Amino acid sequence: KNEVEQSPQNLTAQEGEFITINCSYSVGISALHWLQQHPGGGIVSLFMLSSGKKKHGRLIATINIQEKHSSLHITASHPRDSAVYICAVSGTNAGKSTFGDGTTLTVKP
Amino acid sequence: KAGVTQTPRYLIKTRGQQVTLSCSPISGHRSVSWYQQTPGQGLQFLFEYFSETQRNKGNFPGRFSGRQFSNSRSEMNVSTLELGDSALYLCASSLVPRILATYGYTFGSGTRLTVV
Repeated sequence: KNEVEQSPQNLTAQEGEFITINCSYSVGISALHWLQQHPGGGIVSLFMLSSGKKKHGRLIATINIQEKHSSLHITASHPRDSAVYICAVSGTNAGKSTFGDGTTLTVKP
Repeated sequence: KAGVTQTPRYLIKTRGQQVTLSCSPISGHRSVSWYQQTPGQGLQFLFEYFSETQRNKGNFPGRFSGRQFSNSRSEMNVSTLELGDSALYLCASSLVPRILATYGYTFGSGTRLTVV
């Protein structure tokens, strides 16, 4: 079992739908990151969380430290949101990052 | 301000050769970390440098090495290339190392290495 598990692996939505991507982890962490990767490879860091909830525009990220679970929500999804969303955790001791396998999101007009 | 710059963008090498990739962080960022991304393994952490010192290292063989210069620019080197080293190599920079970071980090666009 991977230390970081994401679900779903693939997600197709219609424009305007509310999207939720989940991330569960099994190790102690200092922070959890949500990353967005568009075709071509460029990665954008969306959020870094150590507790609670953060919001940026239509994107909301939450983390529950006790349950070792985080969610990324996209409200009013748009085709330009189509990308791979990756959950990554920074460990507490060694400081290394561990990545989930990513969720491929396709938003259709 | 300029983002994280990785050079070259694309590279084709032959098995057995060595390769050096470069990463220039955002001005003022002193931490640079390197990652390998392949279709089969996803994103994997290679190593991280801060103030010219390697702070953390992932589970990669000794053929993978790196260094950081006094201006925070970093290079990674892969010797004796294997077909399995074909990947997108990404670097990211941040103000401080991740383990202490209260800030996020910024990625470069990556170098796509193909080993033939």
